[in-house]
Amino acid sequence: KAGVTQTPRYLIKTRGQQVTLSCSPISGHRSVSWYQQTPGQGLQFLFEYFSETQRNKGNFPGRFSGRQFSNSRSEMNVSTLELGDSALYLCASSSGTGGYSPLHFGNGTRLTVT
Amino acid sequence: AQSVTQPDIHITVSEGASLELRCNYSYGATPYLFWYVQSPGQGLQLLLKYFSGDTLVQGIKGFEAEFKRSQSSFNLRKPSVHWSDAAEYFCAVGVQTGANNLFFGTGTRLTVIP
Repeated sequence: KAGVTQTPRYLIKTRGQQVTLSCSPISGHRSVSWYQQTPGQGLQFLFEYFSETQRNKGNFPGRFSGRQFSNSRSEMNVSTLELGDSALYLCASSSGTGGYSPLHFGNGTRLTVT
Repeated sequence: AQSVTQPDIHITVSEGASLELRCNYSYGATPYLFWYVQSPGQGLQLLLKYFSGDTLVQGIKGFEAEFKRSQSSFNLRKPSVHWSDAAEYFCAVGVQTGANNLFFGTGTRLTVIP
């Protein structure tokens, strides 16, 4: 099976712009979670989608949003970018059913805001 | 509230030596516990997980971890470290709400000396 695919791998944006990141989960996985990784804050949970519905949300401002499509692919959007949004954004998928299923991570999208 | 503490930011060991990475968690109920490894520029790979049952769990790459409820710990061990084990290691706790949000520790960076 192909793993979790995130595109693009690298992005450079300017403050005030918006950005959309994409994640294709492992085939058959219905849950997609997003995490932000920074040297200062470590790994922080952004949100999780399951069957096109946001099931859980972390403590991030409303500038961070996401969605999931019927094929389980997910996008994450950040509007009005700030310098502090520079980070590695990781997507993870799981089956999301029947108890706790382990997360499988993609290689991430490295976002740099200048 | 749930939290994970990895007290060692950086550990250096010689190749062939044994390894123990510490992890303490805080969670009111029985936790789901995980160890992930991250190589530079990569996403996170699951090493092993503990859900219930036998408190000593075996993972990939020769790693094992022991769940000790009385100490709220889930330490990762390997009897003989290989140079390829150099990476960053993250301990994580999963909450039992059916949503796939993990709480991660700040990570331990492992350096292996030839």
